[in-house]
Amino acid sequence: DTEVTQTPKHLVMGMTNKKSLKCEQHMGHRAMYWYKQKAKKPPELMFVYSYEKLSINESVPSRFSPECPNSSLLNLHLHALQPEDSALYLCASSQTVAGQMNTEAFFGQGTRLTVV
Amino acid sequence: GQNIDQPTEMTATEGAIVQINCTYQTSGFNGLFWYQQHAGEAPTFLSYNVLDGLEEKGRFSSFLSRSKGYSYLLLKELQMKDSASYLCAVRPSRGSGTYKYIFGTGTRLKVLA
Repeated sequence: DTEVTQTPKHLVMGMTNKKSLKCEQHMGHRAMYWYKQKAKKPPELMFVYSYEKLSINESVPSRFSPECPNSSLLNLHLHALQPEDSALYLCASSQTVAGQMNTEAFFGQGTRLTVV
Repeated sequence: GQNIDQPTEMTATEGAIVQINCTYQTSGFNGLFWYQQHAGEAPTFLSYNVLDGLEEKGRFSSFLSRSKGYSYLLLKELQMKDSASYLCAVRPSRGSGTYKYIFGTGTRLKVLA
């Protein structure tokens, strides 16, 4: 199983709503990532979790709140978003084995978020 | 800072060969990855380089020169289905104890019949 599964696939939310994006993988990967991708742009790193602990926050506004409840799950909690936050949100995972360099990141299909 | 640059768009003909370049300046280097992304879909892994030289994988090859901060992806025998965005991603030094993948600007390739 080399899949990263994200739900929902599409989400429309108002600026006062609270919603959550979910990501799941069963490859035993202990590094998980959230990326944001705007149309015709590359993915931008938001957060990195390593062994279920937040390792990197790329200066993301606090209206985005990540959570890693266990080694297979990664959530992104959304609150009071702005229309400019509309984008494709991609989850990814990778191995973290020291000394193993060929550890590509596997991506989910993404959640297309529209903030109205 | 991290700078990873690619040409924005390229066009090529079915059956031809195309080379997509990537130049990078990052805080350290622990590998370069090429991904393919069709519109509205997830990026999928194509190839990986950490040492200088050429890695070949079927119709796709990738080259790396660490001293020049330069890589390219070579696509041979182009097919219509190769029309997609191609993303170069660099894994900088593990300064914080965690690896991350930083993507370049991406190249949209259009293959014409």
